[in-house]
Amino acid sequence: GDSVTQMEGPVTLSEEAFLTINCTYTATGYPSLFWYVQYPGEGLQLLLKATKADDKGSNKGFEATYRKETTSFHLEKGSVQVSDSAVYFCALIANNAGNMLTFGGGTRLMVKP
Amino acid sequence: DSGVTQTPKHLITATGQRVTLRCSPRSGDLSVYWYQQSLDQGLQFLIQYYNGEERAKGNILERFSAQQFPDLHSELNLSSLELGDSALYFCASSEGGGLATEAFFGQGTRLTVV
Repeated sequence: GDSVTQMEGPVTLSEEAFLTINCTYTATGYPSLFWYVQYPGEGLQLLLKATKADDKGSNKGFEATYRKETTSFHLEKGSVQVSDSAVYFCALIANNAGNMLTFGGGTRLMVKP
Repeated sequence: DSGVTQTPKHLITATGQRVTLRCSPRSGDLSVYWYQQSLDQGLQFLIQYYNGEERAKGNILERFSAQQFPDLHSELNLSSLELGDSALYFCASSEGGGLATEAFFGQGTRLTVV
């Protein structure tokens, strides 16, 4: 079945450090890929998405590129801030799954001043 | 604020009991989704309704059921509760039911079964 694997956390970085959170997927066909962010005590918010191979999603300084050849969608940010501390979820919607999201396990990011 | 409202925010109940979680979608959204977030299973899709009709079903137990009413709000009913049902239950809504439509999540209902 469809699945998403992302690096386990927590990831602890200093402010202004470079961030990479790895995400790989298994799915039939050509899924759409997403990153969601969950701040403490809140629901999930869509951070960015990409719907076809080689697309780059970007938002708030975060980027991720849909790599079909490596089935990956790694999240990157050049300079993290304390306010980026949250849990990040990689997710996919398979092309035969309506609008059902399949999530990875989540990666907690902690940014220290 | 996503515009999706879930009530109650917290619920504590005993094993064997039945509870109802409520979700009001964003204005104009026809689709409602329910997800369960637990420590051991992560975030899992339970069920989707679109304009009152069941559209997709995920890993939803037979003890659980849901419905979407004419005013588009939805309820998730959990019965014969077990300790393992303790989790955060999220509702999300989107405009349509089609592929990759952005879903907006509520803040969740934290259910604790004791």
